[in-house]
Amino acid sequence: SQKIEQNSEALNIQEGKTATLTCNYTNYSPAYLQWYRQDPGRGPVFLLLIRENEKEKRKERLKVTFDTTLKQSLFHITASQPADSATYLCALVGGANNLFFGTGTRLTVIP
Amino acid sequence: GAVVSQHPSWVICKSGTSVKIECRSLDFQATTMFWYRQFPKQSLMLMATSNEGSKATYEQGVEKDKFLINHASLTLSTLTVTSAHPEDSSFYICSASSIAGDRGYTFGSGTRLTVV
Repeated sequence: SQKIEQNSEALNIQEGKTATLTCNYTNYSPAYLQWYRQDPGRGPVFLLLIRENEKEKRKERLKVTFDTTLKQSLFHITASQPADSATYLCALVGGANNLFFGTGTRLTVIP
Repeated sequence: GAVVSQHPSWVICKSGTSVKIECRSLDFQATTMFWYRQFPKQSLMLMATSNEGSKATYEQGVEKDKFLINHASLTLSTLTVTSAHPEDSSFYICSASSIAGDRGYTFGSGTRLTVV
């Protein structure tokens, strides 16, 4: 069955540095991949979508890469701020257009 | 745009009773809505896909008789947890896919269910 793993459960970085989160998947060939942010006690909020024919996508301080050969996506937050502290989830769309989530990475940006 | 409203945000119920959770798309029509469950410090697990006017499709391991899903209109889907037990206590989140393209999926704010 398909598996979506995010490299670390938790990541702590210093304010101003770049946070890099990894998402790996197996047994799947997604047409696109999505990244979401989830704050405690809230539903996920959509951040970025990258298609299989796109190598990189940017939105303000966010950058996503997608390597379909490695079956991996990297999510970068540059010039990180304490307000970026949250759980970040990658997600793939299934055959019924349903969304399957990765294990999540809890990011803490230390002032 | 693309707002999904979920109600209630939290509920406490007694073991053996049923609880209904509503999910509404406020400014768009959602032919398909999705229901997720999330346990503490875990990711979201898809429970079922709800299609307007037809039966929901449940993921493996999810009891359809326990988690009743109704999607009677293009803007409303409901999840009823029947005969709730303490192990059903969890965070339930609904989602709807809005316009295709780069907008992603829109999620409700979630319902914290506690069964005592």
